[in-house]
Amino acid sequence: GENVEQHPSTLSVQEGDSAVIKCTYSDSASNYFPWYKQELGKRPQLIIDIRSNVGEKKDQRIAVTLNKTAKHFSLHITETQPEDSAVYFCAASRRDQGAQKLVFGQGTRLTINP
Amino acid sequence: DVKVTQSSRYLVKRTGEKVFLECVQDMDHENMFWYRQDPGLGLRLIYFSYDVKMKEKGDIPEGYSVSREKKERFSLILESASTNQTSMYLCASSLAGTGWEPLHFGNGTRLTVT
Repeated sequence: GENVEQHPSTLSVQEGDSAVIKCTYSDSASNYFPWYKQELGKRPQLIIDIRSNVGEKKDQRIAVTLNKTAKHFSLHITETQPEDSAVYFCAASRRDQGAQKLVFGQGTRLTINP
Repeated sequence: DVKVTQSSRYLVKRTGEKVFLECVQDMDHENMFWYRQDPGLGLRLIYFSYDVKMKEKGDIPEGYSVSREKKERFSLILESASTNQTSMYLCASSLAGTGWEPLHFGNGTRLTVT
């Protein structure tokens, strides 16, 4: 089955700097790669996703890149702000029995220092 | 806005007890999921369901069962709770749609087994 590895487990950056979180996956049939953000005490929420037919996607300060050959994808946050502090999870999936079965990485705790 | 409601925020049970975790969604989603969240391990899929009365094992189904008698409700059952099942449990739902629909999570149930 699919296995997703996420690094680093913790990341601390100065406000205004950029943050990069990286994930690798094992199943070459995976075709969907979302990123979820979980603020302290709250539920995970989707912030951006990318499909396997696209190499890069950007939404304001957030971008995701995908390298299918190397089977890795990354989250890039530019001009970080205190509200970016949270745990971020990457995930990979392919359709299974009518549902998109997501396998998550271990999570990265991002801290933005003022 | 999609609402996924988990019946309990905190739950304390004794070893050997039968435990029911309930989840209800109000958006007519076909897919429902149960994940457990542990520090350093990310979110791991226990069971999912893509239709009423249908269920599929996830990555860590041992010690758990599920029930989906109605489209809006997905129950997780711990037949005989054990201390290693102490965890945060997250329910999620999604549309069948294109297969790339986002997961909508509940607020989670923190279960402690003593």
